Amino acid sequence: GQQVMQIPQYQHVQEGEDFTTYCNSSTTLSNIQWYKQRPGGHPVFLIQLVKSGEVKKQKRLTFQFGEAKKNSSLHITATQTTDVGTYFCAGPVTGGYNKLIFGAGTRLAVHP
Amino acid sequence: KAGVTQTPRYLIKTRGQQVTLSCSPISGHRSVSWYQQTPGQGLQFLFEYFSETQRNKGNFPGRFSGRQFSNSRSEMNVSTLELGDSALYLCASSLGSDRGWSYEQYFGPGTRLTVT
Repeated sequence: GQQVMQIPQYQHVQEGEDFTTYCNSSTTLSNIQWYKQRPGGHPVFLIQLVKSGEVKKQKRLTFQFGEAKKNSSLHITATQTTDVGTYFCAGPVTGGYNKLIFGAGTRLAVHP
Repeated sequence: KAGVTQTPRYLIKTRGQQVTLSCSPISGHRSVSWYQQTPGQGLQFLFEYFSETQRNKGNFPGRFSGRQFSNSRSEMNVSTLELGDSALYLCASSLGSDRGWSYEQYFGPGTRLTVT
């Protein structure tokens, strides 16, 4: 079946270091979304990428969608303690309606 | 604009019982999806409703059911609870719903269900 794989599972960084999480889909995606879940919280929508090769930036966060629309990445420059949480990528299931398949997430810990 | 609300926030049930969870979407959102989140399985899609019609279902047993009302509020029911049903149940609302597409999802705070 359709799968979305995300690596790494965990990442520990010192504050100020960069961080990247990668997402790979077994199928071509019409779009890909990224969510952040703080400890004890719920997923919060960050961004949606639609076009092949698309790059979007939100302050220190840079999101990329691969040319084949099967992979994506989230890069955080100069991490801060406020970046702590789990980052999920998610793509729509082929033929589904708002049916998202989530990656397992990357848990980011930032040490001050 | 008020966010997605879910009630109750916490619930403790015993095996064999049934439970009903409620979700109120953001005003104007007609699509409501439900997800189960566990440490072992991550976020798993349960079902999606749009204009009172279930249009998607995940790979969960028939004990899991739901419905949506004309005001877009949704309920999820789990019957004959099992220990493995302990999880965070998240509801998400979105503006629209198109085949093969996903709109940005706004999640509620979730209902933490513990089955003993």
